[in-house]
Amino acid sequence: KNEVEQSPQNLTAQEGEFITINCSYSVGISALHWLQQHPGGGIVSLFMLSSGKKKHGRLIATINIQEKHSSLHITASHPRDSAVYICAVKVARSQGNLIFGKGTKLSVKP
Amino acid sequence: GAVVSQHPSWVICKSGTSVKIECRSLDFQATTMFWYRQFPKQSLMLMATSNEGSKATYEQGVEKDKFLINHASLTLSTLTVTSAHPEDSSFYICSARPRQGGNQPQHFGDGTRLSIL
Repeated sequence: KNEVEQSPQNLTAQEGEFITINCSYSVGISALHWLQQHPGGGIVSLFMLSSGKKKHGRLIATINIQEKHSSLHITASHPRDSAVYICAVKVARSQGNLIFGKGTKLSVKP
Repeated sequence: GAVVSQHPSWVICKSGTSVKIECRSLDFQATTMFWYRQFPKQSLMLMATSNEGSKATYEQGVEKDKFLINHASLTLSTLTVTSAHPEDSSFYICSARPRQGGNQPQHFGDGTRLSIL
């Protein structure tokens, strides 16, 4: 079993829909990242959080440390949101290296 | 915002060639840089952790003599794939953690797609 599990693996949505991507992990962490990877491969860090909730524009990330679960929400989705969204955890008491989920491929249709 | 520059973006070369990939933090100092590899449809996997001025720490299964890492300054780490073979073809990406560390997020380069013929 992977230490970081994401669901769904693939997600197709219509423009304007509310989207949720889930992440569960099984290790002790000091932080959790949500990353966005575009087709060219480059990665953008969307959020880093260790508790509660963060919001940036149409993106919202939440984490429940007790349940070892995080969600990424996209409100009013748009075709330009199409990308792979990756959950990654920073293992507690490590040098800071990340363990990555396999990603969720999101496709938003106009 | 913090920027990490990775070069080159694409490399296509013959089997047996050595390839050097550079990772630079452009507007911050990074005592620690990480090198990851991603095979198609797989998640990113840590190869090694690079600390400025000291030897890199390699993950299990990663050959340190094949993947040479040099972190000579606070803004530059290099990964050299020596005598590359087709099975080394992959997407390599670096990230850098600001010197302040702690709760600072890592910043990623745009990656290098390596194809060995």
